[in-house]
Amino acid sequence: DAGVIQSPRHEVTEMGQEVTLRCKPISGHNSLFWYRQTMMRGLELLIYFNNNVPIDDSGMPEDRFSAKMPNASFSTLKIQPSEPRDSAVYFCASKGGGGQNEQFFGPGTRLTVL
Amino acid sequence: AQSVSQHNHHVILSEAASLELGCNYSYGGTVNLFWYVQYPGQHLQLLLKYFSGDPLVKGIKGFEAEFIKSKFSFNLRKPSVQWSDTAEYFCAVNDYNNAGNMLTFGGGTRLMVKP
Repeated sequence: DAGVIQSPRHEVTEMGQEVTLRCKPISGHNSLFWYRQTMMRGLELLIYFNNNVPIDDSGMPEDRFSAKMPNASFSTLKIQPSEPRDSAVYFCASKGGGGQNEQFFGPGTRLTVL
Repeated sequence: AQSVSQHNHHVILSEAASLELGCNYSYGGTVNLFWYVQYPGQHLQLLLKYFSGDPLVKGIKGFEAEFIKSKFSFNLRKPSVQWSDTAEYFCAVNDYNNAGNMLTFGGGTRLMVKP
């Protein structure tokens, strides 16, 4: 099992540019989570999906952020336009069904907005 | 809403010292409890989890945690730390009845083990 796959691993962009982060969850998992980690705010849940449907997006900071899950094996987190304060590590995690399963985290995407 | 508190933000220990990291949560109903570890530059990995049964849970790398329902606590322990345990540790709670699959994370505790 390859685990949760995220791409790119590192992204450096300029303010105002569109950024798209990608995530492939573990096969068979039906929940997917996007987190943001910064020194100042720690680990924040941005949005999560169950069976490809967004369940809670209350953590999405602004309308500049959007997330999609077109199918069970792929999700994107898009920032348009990006700002320097969006610089962070973005983690994707997935979880299988049932009550006794934990979330498995991907390696993260380190985003730097100049 | 559920909240998770990790009172120790930074801990510095020498090798072979014993470790205890505190974790308290707010919700009084049924909870699932987790400790994750994040080594420098890496992603979060599960150390151990509690769902039911024996409140003393043993995880990987010699870690254990004890669920004390009356104290809303799930403290992480290790009798003798190693330099390789230097990492950030996160407690997380799944308020399963009200929040489905969501985890609420504590603010993390940075552990530095001096060789």
